[in-house]
Amino acid sequence: GENVEQHPSTLSVQEGDSAVIKCTYSDSASNYFPWYKQELGKRPQLIIDIRSNVGEKKDQRIAVTLNKTAKHFSLHITETQPEDSAVYFCAASRPSLNFGKGTSLLVTP
Amino acid sequence: DAGITQSPRHKVTETGTPVTLRCHQTENHRYMYWYRQDPGHGLRLIHYSYGVKDTDKGEVSDGYSVSRSKTEDFLLTLESATSSQTSVYFCAISEGTSGSYEQFFGPGTRLTVL
Repeated sequence: GENVEQHPSTLSVQEGDSAVIKCTYSDSASNYFPWYKQELGKRPQLIIDIRSNVGEKKDQRIAVTLNKTAKHFSLHITETQPEDSAVYFCAASRPSLNFGKGTSLLVTP
Repeated sequence: DAGITQSPRHKVTETGTPVTLRCHQTENHRYMYWYRQDPGHGLRLIHYSYGVKDTDKGEVSDGYSVSRSKTEDFLLTLESATSSQTSVYFCAISEGTSGSYEQFFGPGTRLTVL
């Protein structure tokens, strides 16, 4: 089955800096890669996704890149704000979603 | 948030008792999923359904069963709860297969098995 590795497990940045979270996947047939944000005690919320026919997607301060050859994809958050502090999960679909173990992002003022 | 509710939201039970968690949606989505979330493990798929009476196993299905008699309801049953099933359980829905359509999550159920 699909195996998704996510790094780092924790990330601390200063407000205004950029944050990058990386994921690798094992199944080359995976074709959909969403990212979820989960605040403490809340449900995971989809923040951005990318499909295998696209290399990059951007939505305001958030971008995702996909390298199908290397089988990795990354989440980029620019101009981080304290409200970006949360746990972020990547996932790969083939077709069921397989999630990474999460990255706890802390943005300090 | 998509129209997804879960009940109960919190439950404490004892080892060996049966437990049923309910997921209810008002979106008329075809696919419904049950995940469990544990520290250090992320979200793991237990079972999913692709239509009324159509279900399949996920990654961690042992000890769990599901039923879907109506489009809007997906039930997860622990026949005989064990302490290893203490977890937060999330239901999710999607319009189509998760390779084509976004999944939206319910608010979660925190289950403690003593």
